[in-house]
Amino acid sequence: AQTVTQSQPEMSVQEAETVTLSCTYDTSENNYYLFWYKQPPSRQMILVIRQEAYKQQNATENRFSVNFQKAAKSFSLKISDSQLGDTAMYFCAFMKPDQGAQKLVFGQGTRLTINP
Amino acid sequence: NAGVMQNPRHLVRRRGQEARLRCSPMKGHSHVYWYRQLPEEGLKFMVYLQKENIIDESGMPKERFSAEFPKEGPSILRIQQVVRGDSAAYFCASSPAQTYGYTFGSGTRLTVV
Repeated sequence: AQTVTQSQPEMSVQEAETVTLSCTYDTSENNYYLFWYKQPPSRQMILVIRQEAYKQQNATENRFSVNFQKAAKSFSLKISDSQLGDTAMYFCAFMKPDQGAQKLVFGQGTRLTINP
Repeated sequence: NAGVMQNPRHLVRRRGQEARLRCSPMKGHSHVYWYRQLPEEGLKFMVYLQKENIIDESGMPKERFSAEFPKEGPSILRIQQVVRGDSAAYFCASSPAQTYGYTFGSGTRLTVV
């Protein structure tokens, strides 16, 4: 079974700084998807960024980018020019595509606080 | 185009009562997923449904929990005879087909007292 580990329960940075959230996963699959979700206090789960394992190029979405190291099974999220609105729980998630359910396996989350 | 709608947003039940959680997927979405989030934890998969079919319920507790997605109307997650350990946030997500990544609702927070 796949597992996802986020080793940083909490992080705190100053506004405008860059912060990197860590995520490692364990799988024997070669083809899969990785995600970062943001959960603000409103509880809504918001997709931040997605990476296909077969793509070598790291995904980017505006201020958000990932460092995908397939051999190391590492998938970190970098937030540049952090903003107060980035304060939230961040979850890393793994999905193995198959003919059945597209199930997401989530890590435990990292609570990120952006200070003014 | 409204997102995934879940109601109620908060639900309080006494031990032994039934809880019914509703999820209306996005328009055009025929695939629904339910996840449970215990306090200070990530979400855990419970069940995957398509219209009138349960496709994968490998994450559902064997007793007291059931889910349906009828031809008409919302998907329902039903918990019978609730216990304190059922207190959690329950999230629904939907997708139009087997796509990789789907849209979540805002969740229902169930509190059992």
